[in-house]
Amino acid sequence: DIQMTQSPSSLSASVGDRVSITCRASLGISHYLAWYQQKPGKAPKVLIFAASTLSSGVPSRFTGSGSGTDFTLTISSLQPEDVATYYCQKYNSALGDTFGPGTKVDIK
Amino acid sequence: QVQLVQSGAEVKKPGSSVKVSCKASGGSFSSHVISWVRQAPGRGLEWMGRIIPILDTTNYAQKFQGRVTITADKSTTTAYMELSSLKSEDTAVYFCARGEYSSSSGLGVFDIWGQGTMVTVSS
Repeated sequence: DIQMTQSPSSLSASVGDRVSITCRASLGISHYLAWYQQKPGKAPKVLIFAASTLSSGVPSRFTGSGSGTDFTLTISSLQPEDVATYYCQKYNSALGDTFGPGTKVDIK
Repeated sequence: QVQLVQSGAEVKKPGSSVKVSCKASGGSFSSHVISWVRQAPGRGLEWMGRIIPILDTTNYAQKFQGRVTITADKSTTTAYMELSSLKSEDTAVYFCARGEYSSSSGLGVFDIWGQGTMVTVSS
Protein backbone atom coordinates (compact mmCIF):
# COMPACT_ATOMS: atom_id res chain seq x y z
CA ASP A 1 0.00 0.00 0.00
CA ILE A 2 1.30 3.48 -0.88
CA GLN A 3 1.68 5.77 2.13
CA MET A 4 1.45 9.56 1.99
CA THR A 5 3.41 11.79 4.36
CA GLN A 6 3.36 15.57 4.77
CA SER A 7 5.66 18.08 6.37
CA PRO A 8 5.45 20.11 8.42
CA SER A 9 2.46 18.98 10.46
CA SER A 10 1.79 22.61 11.31
CA LEU A 11 3.18 26.03 10.53
CA SER A 12 2.64 29.60 11.59
CA ALA A 13 3.54 32.47 9.26
CA SER A 14 2.85 36.15 8.78
CA VAL A 15 0.44 37.65 6.28
CA GLY A 16 2.28 38.06 2.99
CA ASP A 17 4.79 35.29 3.68
CA ARG A 18 5.56 32.56 1.18
CA VAL A 19 4.80 29.15 2.66
CA SER A 20 5.44 25.67 1.33
CA ILE A 21 4.09 22.26 2.30
CA THR A 22 5.73 19.04 1.18
CA CYS A 23 4.02 15.75 0.41
CA ARG A 24 5.82 12.50 -0.22
CA ALA A 25 4.49 9.20 -1.58
CA SER A 26 6.17 5.95 -0.57
CA LEU A 27 6.07 4.83 -4.22
CA GLY A 28 5.80 6.78 -7.46
CA ILE A 29 2.33 8.05 -8.29
CA SER A 30 3.16 9.94 -11.50
CA HIS A 31 1.17 13.19 -11.43
CA TYR A 32 -1.92 11.82 -9.67
CA LEU A 33 -1.65 14.13 -6.69
CA ALA A 34 -4.25 16.58 -5.42
CA TRP A 35 -4.22 19.24 -2.70
CA TYR A 36 -7.29 20.06 -0.61
CA GLN A 37 -8.01 22.89 1.80
CA GLN A 38 -10.29 22.26 4.76
CA LYS A 39 -11.61 24.92 7.11
CA PRO A 40 -13.13 23.97 10.49
CA GLY A 41 -16.59 22.45 10.21
CA LYS A 42 -16.50 22.41 6.42
CA ALA A 43 -15.98 19.82 3.72
CA PRO A 44 -12.61 19.86 1.97
CA LYS A 45 -12.18 21.86 -1.22
CA VAL A 46 -9.86 20.84 -4.03
CA LEU A 47 -7.18 23.43 -4.79
CA ILE A 48 -4.87 21.60 -7.18
CA PHE A 49 -5.07 18.38 -9.17
CA ALA A 50 -2.69 16.55 -11.47
CA ALA A 51 0.06 17.87 -9.18
CA SER A 52 0.10 21.36 -10.68
CA THR A 53 -3.28 22.22 -12.24
CA LEU A 54 -5.18 24.93 -10.39
CA SER A 55 -8.84 24.10 -9.79
CA SER A 56 -11.42 26.55 -11.10
CA GLY A 57 -11.86 29.63 -8.91
CA VAL A 58 -8.77 29.00 -6.77
CA PRO A 59 -6.55 32.08 -6.32
CA SER A 60 -3.34 32.08 -8.32
CA ARG A 61 -1.24 32.47 -5.15
CA PHE A 62 -1.63 28.69 -4.77
CA THR A 63 0.74 26.60 -6.89
CA GLY A 64 1.60 22.93 -6.98
CA SER A 65 4.67 21.17 -8.27
CA GLY A 66 6.34 17.79 -8.36
CA SER A 67 5.88 14.33 -9.82
CA GLY A 68 6.68 10.78 -8.90
CA THR A 69 7.14 10.76 -5.14
CA ASP A 70 7.80 14.37 -4.10
CA PHE A 71 5.30 17.20 -4.31
CA THR A 72 4.97 20.74 -2.98
CA LEU A 73 2.11 23.14 -2.38
CA THR A 74 3.17 26.77 -2.22
CA ILE A 75 1.18 29.79 -1.14
CA SER A 76 3.05 32.76 -2.57
CA SER A 77 1.58 35.39 -0.24
CA LEU A 78 -0.29 34.05 2.79
CA GLN A 79 -3.67 35.67 3.42
CA PRO A 80 -5.86 35.51 6.54
CA GLU A 81 -8.45 33.46 4.66
CA ASP A 82 -5.83 30.78 3.99
CA VAL A 83 -5.93 29.65 7.64
CA ALA A 84 -6.93 26.00 7.23
CA THR A 85 -5.63 22.46 7.18
CA TYR A 86 -4.16 21.28 3.89
CA TYR A 87 -4.18 17.66 2.75
CA CYS A 88 -2.46 15.99 -0.15
CA GLN A 89 -4.10 12.96 -1.75
CA LYS A 90 -3.07 10.38 -4.28
CA TYR A 91 -5.93 9.52 -6.59
CA ASN A 92 -6.80 7.37 -9.61
CA SER A 93 -5.23 4.39 -7.88
CA ALA A 94 -6.57 0.85 -7.85
CA LEU A 95 -5.20 0.64 -4.30
CA GLY A 96 -7.28 3.55 -3.07
CA ASP A 97 -7.17 7.34 -2.83
CA THR A 98 -5.10 7.86 0.31
CA PHE A 99 -4.79 11.22 2.03
CA GLY A 100 -1.75 12.62 3.75
CA PRO A 101 -2.01 13.40 7.48
CA GLY A 102 -2.55 17.13 6.92
CA THR A 103 -0.73 20.40 7.60
CA LYS A 104 -2.36 23.04 9.77
CA VAL A 105 -1.60 26.60 8.67
CA ASP A 106 -2.02 29.54 11.06
CA ILE A 107 -1.28 33.26 11.00
CA LYS A 108 1.41 34.53 13.38
CA GLN B 1 -25.02 23.14 -10.18
CA VAL B 2 -24.71 19.61 -8.81
CA GLN B 3 -24.90 19.19 -5.06
CA LEU B 4 -24.40 16.13 -2.92
CA VAL B 5 -26.94 16.06 -0.11
CA GLN B 6 -26.34 13.60 2.70
CA SER B 7 -28.69 12.13 5.26
CA GLY B 8 -28.85 13.42 8.82
CA ALA B 9 -26.86 12.71 11.94
CA GLU B 10 -27.05 9.27 13.53
CA VAL B 11 -26.47 7.90 17.02
CA LYS B 12 -25.78 4.18 17.13
CA LYS B 13 -24.98 1.50 19.69
CA PRO B 14 -21.72 -0.45 19.52
CA GLY B 15 -22.14 -3.56 17.38
CA SER B 16 -24.93 -2.10 15.26
CA SER B 17 -24.82 -0.80 11.68
CA VAL B 18 -25.35 2.58 10.08
CA LYS B 19 -26.36 3.44 6.52
CA VAL B 20 -25.68 6.94 5.21
CA SER B 21 -27.14 8.24 1.95
CA CYS B 22 -25.77 10.75 -0.53
CA LYS B 23 -28.05 12.15 -3.23
CA ALA B 24 -26.74 13.97 -6.28
CA SER B 25 -29.26 16.72 -6.88
CA GLY B 26 -29.13 18.49 -10.23
CA GLY B 27 -26.91 15.87 -11.82
CA SER B 28 -26.33 12.24 -12.63
CA PHE B 29 -23.88 9.45 -11.88
CA SER B 30 -23.35 8.57 -15.51
CA SER B 31 -19.70 9.60 -15.72
CA HIS B 32 -18.69 9.79 -12.11
CA VAL B 33 -17.26 7.94 -9.16
CA ILE B 34 -18.60 8.38 -5.64
CA SER B 35 -16.19 7.99 -2.76
CA TRP B 36 -16.69 7.95 0.98
CA VAL B 37 -14.26 9.70 3.32
CA ARG B 38 -14.49 9.93 7.09
CA GLN B 39 -12.99 12.28 9.65
CA ALA B 40 -12.88 11.43 13.33
CA PRO B 41 -13.04 14.40 15.74
CA GLY B 42 -9.80 16.38 15.54
CA ARG B 43 -8.30 13.91 13.07
CA GLY B 44 -7.45 13.82 9.36
CA LEU B 45 -9.29 12.56 6.30
CA GLU B 46 -9.57 8.81 5.79
CA TRP B 47 -10.62 7.31 2.43
CA MET B 48 -12.98 4.39 2.95
CA GLY B 49 -13.96 3.26 -0.53
CA ARG B 50 -15.72 4.13 -3.77
CA ILE B 51 -18.24 3.03 -6.34
CA ILE B 52 -18.43 3.66 -10.07
CA PRO B 53 -22.20 3.45 -10.57
CA ILE B 54 -22.10 3.04 -14.36
CA LEU B 55 -19.91 -0.06 -13.93
CA ASP B 56 -21.34 -1.07 -10.57
CA THR B 57 -17.80 -1.70 -9.33
CA THR B 58 -16.50 -0.98 -5.84
CA ASN B 59 -13.12 -0.68 -4.15
CA TYR B 60 -12.63 -0.57 -0.40
CA ALA B 61 -9.73 0.46 1.81
CA GLN B 62 -8.15 -2.60 3.35
CA LYS B 63 -8.93 -1.28 6.82
CA PHE B 64 -12.68 -1.45 6.16
CA GLN B 65 -12.85 -4.61 4.03
CA GLY B 66 -15.67 -6.83 5.25
CA ARG B 67 -17.26 -4.09 7.32
CA VAL B 68 -18.24 -1.48 4.73
CA THR B 69 -20.61 -1.77 1.78
CA ILE B 70 -21.04 1.00 -0.79
CA THR B 71 -23.96 0.86 -3.20
CA ALA B 72 -25.63 3.20 -5.66
CA ASP B 73 -29.11 3.55 -7.11
CA LYS B 74 -28.74 5.10 -10.57
CA SER B 75 -32.48 5.71 -10.89
CA THR B 76 -32.48 8.05 -7.89
CA THR B 77 -28.84 9.22 -8.21
CA THR B 78 -28.26 8.20 -4.61
CA ALA B 79 -25.22 6.45 -3.17
CA TYR B 80 -25.14 4.65 0.15
CA MET B 81 -22.45 3.68 2.62
CA GLU B 82 -23.23 1.04 5.22
CA LEU B 83 -20.76 0.37 8.03
CA SER B 84 -21.36 -2.60 10.31
CA SER B 85 -20.05 -3.84 13.67
CA LEU B 86 -19.73 -0.26 14.85
CA LYS B 87 -17.21 0.65 17.54
CA SER B 88 -16.67 3.88 19.44
CA GLU B 89 -13.69 4.56 17.16
CA ASP B 90 -16.12 4.85 14.22
CA THR B 91 -17.48 8.08 15.68
CA ALA B 92 -16.76 10.54 12.88
CA VAL B 93 -18.13 12.80 10.20
CA TYR B 94 -18.72 10.79 7.03
CA PHE B 95 -18.46 12.61 3.68
CA CYS B 96 -19.38 11.49 0.21
CA ALA B 97 -17.48 13.06 -2.66
CA ARG B 98 -17.81 12.95 -6.43
CA GLY B 99 -15.10 12.66 -9.03
CA GLU B 100 -15.07 12.29 -12.78
CA TYR B 101 -14.72 8.86 -14.33
CA SER B 102 -13.81 7.89 -17.87
CA SER B 103 -12.52 4.65 -19.33
CA SER B 104 -9.62 6.53 -20.93
CA SER B 105 -8.57 8.85 -18.09
CA GLY B 106 -9.63 6.82 -15.07
CA LEU B 107 -10.73 8.41 -11.81
CA GLY B 108 -10.62 12.14 -11.12
CA VAL B 109 -10.23 14.23 -8.00
CA PHE B 110 -13.07 14.87 -5.57
CA ASP B 111 -14.50 18.11 -6.94
CA ILE B 112 -17.89 18.04 -5.20
CA TRP B 113 -18.46 17.04 -1.57
CA GLY B 114 -21.49 16.38 0.53
CA GLN B 115 -22.06 18.38 3.68
CA GLY B 116 -21.02 15.50 5.94
CA THR B 117 -22.99 13.24 8.27
CA MET B 118 -22.05 12.94 11.94
CA VAL B 119 -22.21 9.36 13.19
CA THR B 120 -21.85 8.90 16.94
CA VAL B 121 -21.28 5.43 18.36
CA SER B 122 -22.04 5.28 22.05
CA SER B 123 -23.59 2.89 24.52
